[in-house]
Amino acid sequence: DTGVSQNPRHKITKRGQNVTFRCDPISEHNRLYWYRQTLGQGPEFLTYFQNEAQLEKSRLLSDRFSAERPKGSFSTLEIQRTEQGDSAMYLCASRGLAGGIHEQYFGPGTRLTVT
Amino acid sequence: AQSVTQLDSQVPVFEEAPVELRCNYSSSVSVYLFWYVQYPNQGLQLLLKYLSGSTLVESINGFEAEFNKSQTSFHLRKPSVHISDTAEYFCAVSGPGAGGTSYGKLTFGQGTILTVHP
Repeated sequence: DTGVSQNPRHKITKRGQNVTFRCDPISEHNRLYWYRQTLGQGPEFLTYFQNEAQLEKSRLLSDRFSAERPKGSFSTLEIQRTEQGDSAMYLCASRGLAGGIHEQYFGPGTRLTVT
Repeated sequence: AQSVTQLDSQVPVFEEAPVELRCNYSSSVSVYLFWYVQYPNQGLQLLLKYLSGSTLVESINGFEAEFNKSQTSFHLRKPSVHISDTAEYFCAVSGPGAGGTSYGKLTFGQGTILTVHP
């Protein structure tokens, strides 16, 4: 169990560019969440996967955002045509079926800065 | 819809003093309650959780929280803090998701920065 990993840890991009983040959950966890955290705020839910199915999306997830989880393993979050308001920490968390069933394990996050 | 309010954005205390970080929630259904801690330059870690049963829950490093349903609160306490407790603390709730299915998504408060001074 190496924990949840996220790459890259930091990303600086210019407004209008596309960016993609990757999350590798704990290997036996079938549930995966994405959250966004802006400065001075708590994390806000973006989307949820159970295996490869995306079962819930927040209204925060505009049309410029897309998330995938092919084969129910790693997940990617893509932001198209980035805006300065997208600058935030993007967090991924995973959860298993049994044992601490209500505990989500968080990755270190990807910090996005849009200039 | 659920919401969480952490009443203090910053709490400075001296080492070995007691501390209480306040958390109130709003929900029309039963919830699960959590406290997460985020140390500088690290990810969120679960500190403790209330799912059911005893309303007083404890962590391995001396923190405790009490679920108070009538006051819709889940305050975090520690009788004697250490320098190493300096971190940001987040209160969170989870409950039924869309369509009543429990997806376990978390709703977080704004966070409380605890700073322990020597």
